[in-house]
Amino acid sequence: DQQVKQNSPSLSVQEGRISILNCDYTNSMFDYFLWYKKYPAEGPTFLISISSIKDKNEDGRFTVFLNKSAKHLSLHIVPSQPGDSAVYFCAASATYTGTASKLTFGTGTRLQVTL
Amino acid sequence: KAGVTQTPRYLIKTRGQQVTLSCSPISGHRSVSWYQQTPGQGLQFLFEYFSETQRNKGNFPGRFSGRQFSNSRSEMNVSTLELGDSALYLCASSPARDNYGYTFGSGTRLTVV
Repeated sequence: DQQVKQNSPSLSVQEGRISILNCDYTNSMFDYFLWYKKYPAEGPTFLISISSIKDKNEDGRFTVFLNKSAKHLSLHIVPSQPGDSAVYFCAASATYTGTASKLTFGTGTRLQVTL
Repeated sequence: KAGVTQTPRYLIKTRGQQVTLSCSPISGHRSVSWYQQTPGQGLQFLFEYFSETQRNKGNFPGRFSGRQFSNSRSEMNVSTLELGDSALYLCASSPARDNYGYTFGSGTRLTVV
């Protein structure tokens, strides 16, 4: 049962344009969401997070939007740069269940930023 | 400062064998979590250790076990290896429990033949 879904396995975007990566979740207990970026042969690197009490969080070129009613979040990267080419993982946590340390990950979206 | 160190980086084992993977967290980090990454499944939570005690466990069979030492270093063990255990095993450390400042290591790539 995949509680966090990233339905697009890959995405190709031109340099300078906006990249939008999507993530859906099914567990209504999730209240904290994170995005990680992963390069080959390296571990995932934390990018940005959002609590369920917010609907938007911004950090430089990265913005995460959360739509709780739709159980959907998205990561926007503007403008996209070639160095952004990596696999992006969405992750969720349920703090109220006492398992905040357990992250449930999606299967990842491979972003390729072309010149 | 040094990151999360996982050893070995690569490992090839035969079905039925057992394997032990090691993780040294960032200095001062007391929470260590383990994840398994396989194609098509993403990262799946194995377990979390804090103060030498397992605090959370994922949905993996009992063949997967771990422990944490007093210096916060952690090991995970997989017994009676199966072909399906081939994966990238990632360790993440955090300063405390329920702190999202997770830093991941580069992982151990385990291949079971």
